[in-house]
Amino acid sequence: EPEVTQTPSHQVTQMGQEVILRCVPISNHLYFYWYRQILGQKVEFLVSFYNNEISEKSEIFDDQFSVERPDGSNFTLKIRSTKLEDSAMYFCASSPGTGTDTQYFGPGTRLTVL
Amino acid sequence: QKEVEQNSGPLSVPEGAIASLNCTYSDRVSQSFFWYRQYSGKSPELIMSIYSNGDKEDGRFTAQLNKASQYVSLLIRDSQPSDSATYLCAVKIWNYGGSQGNLIFGKGTKLSVKP
Repeated sequence: EPEVTQTPSHQVTQMGQEVILRCVPISNHLYFYWYRQILGQKVEFLVSFYNNEISEKSEIFDDQFSVERPDGSNFTLKIRSTKLEDSAMYFCASSPGTGTDTQYFGPGTRLTVL
Repeated sequence: QKEVEQNSGPLSVPEGAIASLNCTYSDRVSQSFFWYRQYSGKSPELIMSIYSNGDKEDGRFTAQLNKASQYVSLLIRDSQPSDSATYLCAVKIWNYGGSQGNLIFGKGTKLSVKP
């Protein structure tokens, strides 16, 4: 069964450094999402992406964040200058866009900012 | 402010019992409702979706939706120790600009099934 994949599984970085989190959505899915979950807290929406542009973003998704779909398969989240409070699990999700609006989540990247 | 509320638990049930998980949501235009299961340190895994008022059954799981009361629940019959996890209620509000809309999650209810 097709799955969303994410790399790396764990990223450790110093405060102020840039990180890029990578996702490969399920093939033929049209809608892509990033969510994050700070330890012990709820899953929070960051951004959705459709037709090569951002369709919606939350208040969390400020100028430090950006997303890209550099080729036909990868979907990336970049954090330009990481802060301690960016430490969280980051989940990528994708949705087919037709027939169902179910979102399928990848395994996540644990980001630790020191 | 669109919110999804769940009792954080923990909810403890004996093996073989029925576990009942509840969720309320604030936005009346919510259209799609999902239950995800999340094991510690793992990603949300879809259990069920429900769109219409009433019950929807899938194996040992039954989702119930009451839009008038803004309430959605999940029943797990014949609970097993492997069902021990955090259950996340998620609500989607469709947008009108071409997006399918993002999910709004509750904090989750931690379920513990005792052998």
